[in-house]
Amino acid sequence: EPEVTQTPSHQVTQMGQEVILRCVPISNHLYFYWYRQILGQKVEFLVSFYNNEISEKSEIFDDQFSVERPDGSNFTLKIRSTKLEDSAMYFCASSEELAGGGDTQYFGPGTRLTVL
Amino acid sequence: EDQVTQSPEALRLQEGESSSLNCSYTVSGLRGLFWYRQDPGKGPEFLFTLYSAGEEKEKERLKATLTKKESFLHITAPKPEDSATYLCAVRRSSNTGKLIFGQGTTLQVKP
Repeated sequence: EPEVTQTPSHQVTQMGQEVILRCVPISNHLYFYWYRQILGQKVEFLVSFYNNEISEKSEIFDDQFSVERPDGSNFTLKIRSTKLEDSAMYFCASSEELAGGGDTQYFGPGTRLTVL
Repeated sequence: EDQVTQSPEALRLQEGESSSLNCSYTVSGLRGLFWYRQDPGKGPEFLFTLYSAGEEKEKERLKATLTKKESFLHITAPKPEDSATYLCAVRRSSNTGKLIFGQGTTLQVKP
């Protein structure tokens, strides 16, 4: 069964460092998303991406964040200068389309980011 | 403002003891309501999508229902392996797919 994969599973970094979180969405999916979940809190939307453009971004997704689809399979989230409050689980998700039954978002296993 | 509230926050059941989880929502133009299961340290695992009031979906011991203001996830004769956090999320009528999640209900089923 196709699944979303994410690497690394755990990333530890120093405050102020840049990190890149990687995702491989399901192969025939066209819509891609990043969410994050701070320990004990809700899953929060960060950004949606379609046709090589950001469709929507949340208030959390400030200038320190960027997304990219560098090739036909990978989807990345970059945090330029990490802060302590960026420590969270980051989930990548993908969906086939935005209508009907194809709008189900399938999530990856997550990357746990720890900022020291 | 769009909002999703789940209750209870935590639920303890004995194996075989049926119950329901609630998800109340306020959203401008509901496009879909989604139920996910999340195990500790893992990503949300898709369970159901509901699109219109009156719709019901079933899978094994789980049944999801939808009204204009809330959704219920009914668990019939649960087993210990059903222990997890159950997340509800809504999507409004937009072209971006953004999901708004509730805080989840953590279910523990004791043998």
